[in-house]
Amino acid sequence: GAVVSQHPSRVICKSGTSVKIECRSLDFQATTMFWYRQFPKQSLMLMATSNEGSKATYEQGVEKDKFLINHASLTLSTLTVTSAHPEDSSFYICSATDTGELFFGEGSRLTVL
Amino acid sequence: QKEVEQNSGPLSVPEGAIASLNCTYSDRVSQSFFWYRQYSGKSPELIMSIYSNGDKEDGRFTAQLNKASQYVSLLIRDSQPSDSATYLCAATPGANNLFFGTGTRLTVIP
Repeated sequence: GAVVSQHPSRVICKSGTSVKIECRSLDFQATTMFWYRQFPKQSLMLMATSNEGSKATYEQGVEKDKFLINHASLTLSTLTVTSAHPEDSSFYICSATDTGELFFGEGSRLTVL
Repeated sequence: QKEVEQNSGPLSVPEGAIASLNCTYSDRVSQSFFWYRQYSGKSPELIMSIYSNGDKEDGRFTAQLNKASQYVSLLIRDSQPSDSATYLCAATPGANNLFFGTGTRLTVIP
């Protein structure tokens, strides 16, 4: 089946620094990728839809200047959390679609100290 | 109304029993439906997809869809301790995005 890979799986950073998370589709081309955030014991919340070659579409309440999304190729989307703060600590998950089925990356756990 | 609603549980069943997970959805997401399993600290993994009314069986799992009632369920037969996880119901209006329920936490007691 299709595989989506995320990196890094865990990252710890200091408050005020920026963190980049990569999402790759390994065996298919993904024109659309999605970024989710999940706080403990809560469901997945869609942050943004990333389209190859164009600007991402952000969900209401998600700051586009804080969560920078780049989808430069059909197999790679990146999420950069800029000037991270402790409240940004969360589990970030990407997903990509292949013929309608959504595949998830392994997730990236961000801890901001 | 949220697009997808689930009872958060927790739901506890003894090993070998049938676990029944339920989900309702709004008109806005009424095209395709999915059940995902998520272990703690891991990403969701797809268990079942269902697109038309009725039952769909895959091994110990059966998904049931009732569009008239806007209701979708997942039955797990012969529940095993390894089935203990959070089960996410998801639905899509067909635009390659999914709306997730809050998830139901299932515990299978040995």
